[in-house]
Amino acid sequence: DAKTTQPTSMDCAEGRAANLPCNHSTISGNEYVYWYRQIHSQGPQYIIHGLKNNETNEMASLIITEDRKSSTLILPHATLRDTAVYYCIVNLGISSGSARQLTFGSGTQLTVLP
Amino acid sequence: AAGVIQSPRHLIKEKRETATLKCYPIPRHDTVYWYQQGPGQDPQFLISFYEKMQSDKGSIPDRFSAQQFSDYHSELNMSSLELGDSALYFCASSFVGVGNEKLFFGSGTQLSVL
Repeated sequence: DAKTTQPTSMDCAEGRAANLPCNHSTISGNEYVYWYRQIHSQGPQYIIHGLKNNETNEMASLIITEDRKSSTLILPHATLRDTAVYYCIVNLGISSGSARQLTFGSGTQLTVLP
Repeated sequence: AAGVIQSPRHLIKEKRETATLKCYPIPRHDTVYWYQQGPGQDPQFLISFYEKMQSDKGSIPDRFSAQQFSDYHSELNMSSLELGDSALYFCASSFVGVGNEKLFFGSGTQLSVL
């Protein structure tokens, strides 16, 4: 799996958009970008994933650059409950008939400030 | 919606004892993953099972073993426990399809080895 680089920590004001960057310059053409988060001592939680196109769901938006070497996770209106470690993970996903684990690197500690 | 269930939530053992952690995946999920998270560390992949067969192996010590049963639940068996085994152990489950895999994590088992 391609390596990812994320800032160690970020702050965001409550109600503002939180933009979390991730560099994955060695990503291959068939690797997806996944985002998970982990609120203190809880199990990691899936947020969003994408291959090439930008994606949006009820939790966040994922913007992937055209060359796919970096991406940004956007939490449009951050709340105090969004304080967590956010992990950007590049992964092949799974092919039919096999499983593939996620490798967690060092994520970004996002602190939402009141 | 049903989630991944892990038991017990907390476990205290002495050095050299054995421990068994259980994981019940989301119904119809066919893949189970085990992760270990030490204090202040990121989750580390241990082992995974797909359709009751071992699929991938990570940094799992030889003292640990795991299996997935016919009802798809999984157990992680840990023997000759050491102080360094104290950690949060997460189980995750997924349904293997064509790409785009999402892992759903349980709340974890906190193991303390005294």
